Amino acid sequence: NAGVMQNPRHLVRRRGQEARLRCSPMKGHSHVYWYRQLPEEGLKFMVYLQKENIIDESGMPKERFSAEFPKEGPSILRIQQVVRGDSAAYFCASSPEAVTGVNYGYTFGSGTRLTVV
Amino acid sequence: TQLLEQSPQFLSIQEGENLTVYCNSSSVFSSLQWYRQEPGEGPVLLVTVVTGGEVKKLKRLTFQFGDARKDSSLHITAAQPGDTGLYLCAVSGTYKYIFGTGTRLKVLA
Repeated sequence: NAGVMQNPRHLVRRRGQEARLRCSPMKGHSHVYWYRQLPEEGLKFMVYLQKENIIDESGMPKERFSAEFPKEGPSILRIQQVVRGDSAAYFCASSPEAVTGVNYGYTFGSGTRLTVV
Repeated sequence: TQLLEQSPQFLSIQEGENLTVYCNSSSVFSSLQWYRQEPGEGPVLLVTVVTGGEVKKLKRLTFQFGDARKDSSLHITAAQPGDTGLYLCAVSGTYKYIFGTGTRLKVLA
């Protein structure tokens, strides 16, 4: 079984451009989560999606950021008009069921490292 | 305020030494996970602890969940350079995991 696949691994964008980050969950996993990690910091929750639905986007900046998980294909995290402060590692995780109470963790991808120049 | 506080924030030790890192909160949790993240990679789940007072061992790593299920510790015996990484604890929030601030460990050969 392939794990969680993220691409690209590294992405360089100029200020004002758009960044598209892709995440294919593990086979059989229909719950996808995006996290951001700034240099030397922990993981901050951004958004939780199930197929075709955004369940929780409480960690997403209100502007320029959007996420989707279509019926077919990978989940996409889109950042419009990128700024230097968007430079970070973005991680996707998946799980076979919703996180409630006792649960047994995520499987993470290797991340996309976005650099805005 | 952080839900999960980890300490120490940074730790640099020599190969062969023992160490303990902590994950603390004022809240009670039904379970808690520990992850290790190596440089340039995503976090990897090490263990889940569920019962208050539970102790789990993974080779040289010993994980303990506090009796009141508010805190946890990770003890590494005879640390090796391969143990270098960011250690994160996590608990389930509303439909998602919330991660601690992390302990960045460096083991010097």
